[in-house]
Order: sequence, then structure tokens, then C-alpha cells
Amino acid sequence: KQEVTQIPAALSVPEGENLVLNCSFTDSAIYNLQWFRQDPGKGLTSLLLIQSSQREQTSGRLNASLDKSSGRSTLYIAASQPGDSATYLCAPIPSGGGADGLTFGKGTHLIIQP
Amino acid sequence: KAGVTQTPRYLIKTRGQQVTLSCSPISGHRSVSWYQQTPGQGLQFLFEYFSETQRNKGNFPGRFSGRQFSNSRSEMNVSTLELGDSALYLCASSRAISGRDEQYFGPGTRLTVT
Repeated sequence: KQEVTQIPAALSVPEGENLVLNCSFTDSAIYNLQWFRQDPGKGLTSLLLIQSSQREQTSGRLNASLDKSSGRSTLYIAASQPGDSATYLCAPIPSGGGADGLTFGKGTHLIIQP
Repeated sequence: KAGVTQTPRYLIKTRGQQVTLSCSPISGHRSVSWYQQTPGQGLQFLFEYFSETQRNKGNFPGRFSGRQFSNSRSEMNVSTLELGDSALYLCASSRAISGRDEQYFGPGTRLTVT
């Protein structure tokens, strides 16, 4: 069964810093991996989808990388802003199909101080 | 393009009652998945529907059930509510089945059982 670990669990930094959020997963046989953000009490917003054939995906100040062989993905946030404050979640999708749905980590709770 | 919508947004019920939650997917999406989110357990997969058929099911008791209509709208029902059912219930839609495509989440329904 897929297990997902996200490090750090929480992070508080002043605005302007570049950040790295880490996601590791136990089953490297994945079809793709998706990063989400969640604001308190709200639903999940899709940030990036990385397909297994890709190594990187970029959207604005966000860049996500994927290393299937080592079971790791990294989300890089450039020039952080207070509006980036949220919980960030990663979810690898297994190649064999999502019989267990998406498996999420506990997330990284990010606070950007103005 | 309208996003995933969920109704109602908030619900307060009493133990022993039943509740029905609704999810309207993005137009053209045929897969709808349901998740329960609690502070202790995080995000847990309930079930997935595709073309009106339940395709996958998570590890939840039979009190949790669902269905999907021909227009892809989905409902989730919880019977004989327990205090532990208090949670944020999220639905996600996608074009393809079993996570083979980007997942889009709704804002969630906050259920409180007293």
C-alpha cells in the first residue's frame, strides 16, 4: 500500500524566500503525481500535475520535480508571498489504477510572514 | 468553465440521523471521487464513481454509500450518523477513471454531528 511522507510538516519563513517542500512515496510504480494546496477549511486546489514521463513541471513561481526511481518529488516555490500561506499536499497516482483513490501525505503547513 | 460544486456547504446533524451530500463535477468529467478529511486521519478515500458505476471503494463501513446519475452528478449518503463522522467531505472530478487524469476538488461540505 502506498505511503506518502511530506517534509517538513510545518514551515514559517519571511516573505521573499525561496522554498523547497519534499514529498516521498514508497511505491515508485506511479502513473503521475499531483500537487495541491489547501487553505483552512477549504477544498484542494490543483497546482501541478507531473506525468511519469516528465521530470519537471512549472507554473509561474512553482516548479515541481519528480524522481520516480527514488520515490521523491519536490515542490519549489520562488520568491514566496504571504498569499502562498496554505497547506501543501502531494498525491502520487499508482500505475495500476487508483483502486484506493489518491493517497495523500499529511501535508506541509506553510506560513509566509509579511 | 465552472468548477466542482458541492452542496450544502455546511450541515449540522444529530447522532442517528442520515445525511445526503451532493457533488456536481466539471462539465465533461465522468469520474467523481469522494474523500473524508479529519484532523486525525487526514484525507481518506471513500469511493469513486464512473459512468454511474462504483469503481473503487475505500475502507469505510456500509453506512457510507453513494451513487452517480447519468449527468455525472453524484450523491453521498451516510446513515445512522456517529460523532466520528464529523468531517470535511470533499469530492473530486476528472475526465478519466482511477486518477489517470488531473483531479479537481470542490470546496467541500463541512458536516458536524452532535
